Amino acid sequence: AQSVTQLGSHVSVSEGALVLLRCNYSSSVPPYLFWYVQYPNQGLQLLLKYTSAATLVKGINGFEAEFKKSETSFHLTKPSAHMSDAAEYFCAVTEAYSGAGSYQLTFGKGTKLSVIP
Amino acid sequence: NAGVTQTPKFRVLKTGQSMTLLCAQDMNHEYMYWYRQDPGMGLRLIHYSVGEGTTAKGEVPDGYNVSRLKKQNFLLGLESAAPSQTSVYFCASSKSSGANVLTFGAGSRLTVL
Repeated sequence: AQSVTQLGSHVSVSEGALVLLRCNYSSSVPPYLFWYVQYPNQGLQLLLKYTSAATLVKGINGFEAEFKKSETSFHLTKPSAHMSDAAEYFCAVTEAYSGAGSYQLTFGKGTKLSVIP
Repeated sequence: NAGVTQTPKFRVLKTGQSMTLLCAQDMNHEYMYWYRQDPGMGLRLIHYSVGEGTTAKGEVPDGYNVSRLKKQNFLLGLESAAPSQTSVYFCASSKSSGANVLTFGAGSRLTVL
């Protein structure tokens, strides 16, 4: 069975500082990995996804994530935080060989990012 | 494109009342999902559908029923609402599973008194 652990339910950074949101996964087969973002009072939207091509994945709004198989991690980073980055971020995992008709996407519990001016 | 539309956006129910949440998508997606989001719990899958006329249970299906009579619509029903069902409900859709991205609706906030 697959699972996702997001370390830290709340993270605070100063504006302009590095953003690092941690995600570790477990999966018995090669995974697909996703980061979604949820702004206040909105649904989730995709930031980026890893599907076994390049291990460093670039997403929207300057975010990127690196797939590290040896560490079973997919941490999300952004070099310089902006006030508009304040949101909740969710890591998710699914198995690369999910059969047609099945559904196995698992979300982490989320990390709320606060940006301090 | 409207994407995924959920109605209603807000609803207050009394314990024991019934209601239906409607989800509509205009992207011709095969897969549709209902999640609930509670503080500190992340998103939990209630039910999902891999095509018109099919439904399947997710992680937390008890107390809910669903129907997918038309490809574009996915209904979530509460037959006898309980305070434990107070939550924000999200509908999502995708072309398929695997690497396919989910498109989410804006959410429906339900309070059961």
